[in-house]
Parts: sequence; C-alpha cells; structure tokens
Amino acid sequence: SYVLTQPPSVSVAPGQTARITCGGNNIGSKSVHWYRQKPGQAPVLVVYDDSDRPSGIPERFSGSNSGNTATLTISRVEAGDEADYYCQVWDSRTYPLWVFGGGTKLTVL
Amino acid sequence: EVQLVESGGGLIQPGGSLRLSCAVSGISVSRNYMSWVRQAPGKGLEWVSIIYSGGSTYYGDSVRGRFTLARDISKNTFYIQMNSLRAEDTAVYYCATSVRGAALFDFWGQGTLVTVSS
Repeated sequence: SYVLTQPPSVSVAPGQTARITCGGNNIGSKSVHWYRQKPGQAPVLVVYDDSDRPSGIPERFSGSNSGNTATLTISRVEAGDEADYYCQVWDSRTYPLWVFGGGTKLTVL
Repeated sequence: EVQLVESGGGLIQPGGSLRLSCAVSGISVSRNYMSWVRQAPGKGLEWVSIIYSGGSTYYGDSVRGRFTLARDISKNTFYIQMNSLRAEDTAVYYCATSVRGAALFDFWGQGTLVTVSS
C-alpha cells in the first residue's frame, strides 16, 4: 500500500516560515491535501489539490508538490497555528484507498 | 452550511458489535461521498470506509469484513456497523464528506469515542 512519510515535529518562531514535508513514491503525480488538527478538535482542511485553499483559510497557508515530496508552507507563523498537520492522498491503483501521513506536530516557540 | 453529527460511541467488550450514526444536514447523503475516519488515542488519522453516491462501498484493510456501511436517505443519515470489535479499534470515529469529489474530506463531524475493552 502507498505510504506517506512526515517528520514527527517541526518548530518555528513566531513570524517565521514553517515548512512541513510529506514524502511518497512519485507523490508529484497525485493530488495532496492537508489538514490541521488542534487538540480535542476535528481536523480542518487547509490546502487541497496540492496548493488550493478553502474559503476562510489565510493566504499564509500554501502548498506545493513535485517529485517525491509535497510541502505545506505556513508563512508568518502565529501562535494559533500550533497544531498537528496531516497530508493525505487518494490511491486508486487497485482497491481505492485514502492514505494519511503520520502527522507533524508544529510547535511555535 | 454542511453539518455532520456522530452518535453511538461507547464502551464495548472485545468481540462485540456497535453501530455509529452520522446525521447530516446541508447536503444529501445520497448524492455525496460519505466516509468514516478514525483516530486512536494519541495516534494519527486512519481512513476506515466510504460510501459513494451510487452506493458502492470501500473499506480499509484493518476493518474489511468486520465493518459495514449503510445509509438511510429518508433520515439523511449514514451508519457504520462494527462487528467483531478488537482493542485496536479503540478510537475517536469521525464522519466526513466532501463537496469537491471523493479524494478528500472537507467537512468533518466532532467525532464519537469507541472504547473496546473488557
């Protein structure tokens, strides 16, 4: 089955840029979606189809995807961005599967 | 506004059965992709199952053959019947859907906790 690999943690100071990676075999050929989850809350979609933002998500959130790595970039990080972030793809090569990465804890120093 | 509200979670013994419900408003369960995603305590997200608008169902490897999806169009609610429950099924179960196609989840419920323990 398809595997997505994320770093367990990323730390950044307020106002700086956070980059969270998601590795997968030829992930650049798939559409990648990103979710933010704060403690005790349901996940929220923050980026879809590699780089699009749902309404209500600040422009500070952006995404890219190429080769074997997709990246979620959060510019001008704020304390409120501290959360777990998950990447996700749809793998339909055989039996359709929805695959999540293991998640990255973003800490704002 | 799309809203999803789960119910039915609780404590169940290993080998037991439980049915979770997801009441939906703002969209029709008969015309959208409806999914369940779970999260074990302190762990990441795991996709569990999906029902397509046409009625086709798909399941993750860890639950296939034990869990079954269904929907009640008159109540705009969909369900997951969970049989032969194991300790490793302990998790918060979220129902989720998307108006952007089957590949992602852009609306989520608040989740319901299922604890499998003797």
